Amino acid sequence: DAGVTQSPTHLIKTRGQQVTLRCSPKSGHDTVSWYQQALGQGPQFIFQYYEEEERQRGNFPDRFSGHQFPNYSSELNVNALLLGDSALYLCASSSDTEAFFGQGTRLTVV
Amino acid sequence: QQQVKQSPQSLIVQKGGIPIINCAYENTAFDYFPWYQQFPGKGPALLIAIRPDVSEKKEGRFTISFNKSAKQFSLHIMDSQPGDSATYFCAALYSGGGADGLTFGKGTHLIIQP
Repeated sequence: DAGVTQSPTHLIKTRGQQVTLRCSPKSGHDTVSWYQQALGQGPQFIFQYYEEEERQRGNFPDRFSGHQFPNYSSELNVNALLLGDSALYLCASSSDTEAFFGQGTRLTVV
Repeated sequence: QQQVKQSPQSLIVQKGGIPIINCAYENTAFDYFPWYQQFPGKGPALLIAIRPDVSEKKEGRFTISFNKSAKQFSLHIMDSQPGDSATYFCAALYSGGGADGLTFGKGTHLIIQP
């Protein structure tokens, strides 16, 4: 079992650009959630996808959007990048309450 | 508004000691309380979790104590080892949906000295 896999592991973007991050959930999991973790902070919930639809959303602007595919994999898109978007972006998959995280994508906006 | 408050922010314990990390929550709708361990450059790894219908849960060297009336829960690590040095996060969830996913504390940076 490969667990939750995320790509890429690191990414550098310029302010104003757009970025797409990818996540493959753990085998058997149908729900994918995305979190943003700033340096020295706990993860903050962005949104959750189930059955290819956004089911829950945290307090993040519309610049943050996502998608879930029929095979349960997911993408996180961030438009008009700001310096403050620099963070570790984590994907978590679950089939019930237990959530398992990937290793994250470190996004640096310059 | 921080819904889950975690303390201490950092903790140093000698090998074999029992570090204790505490969390308090505000939302009484929360009904699932996991603890995660995170090493630098890695994603959080689920350690142990508890629901409010029990007061204590043990898995290996990790124990959660839960006090529903006080809205507090804590993690104890028995016979701590240098390999336990990491950042620990408590979290809370309303499993019925409609809430904002897992709500995390700010983390505790734990160092176990040899």
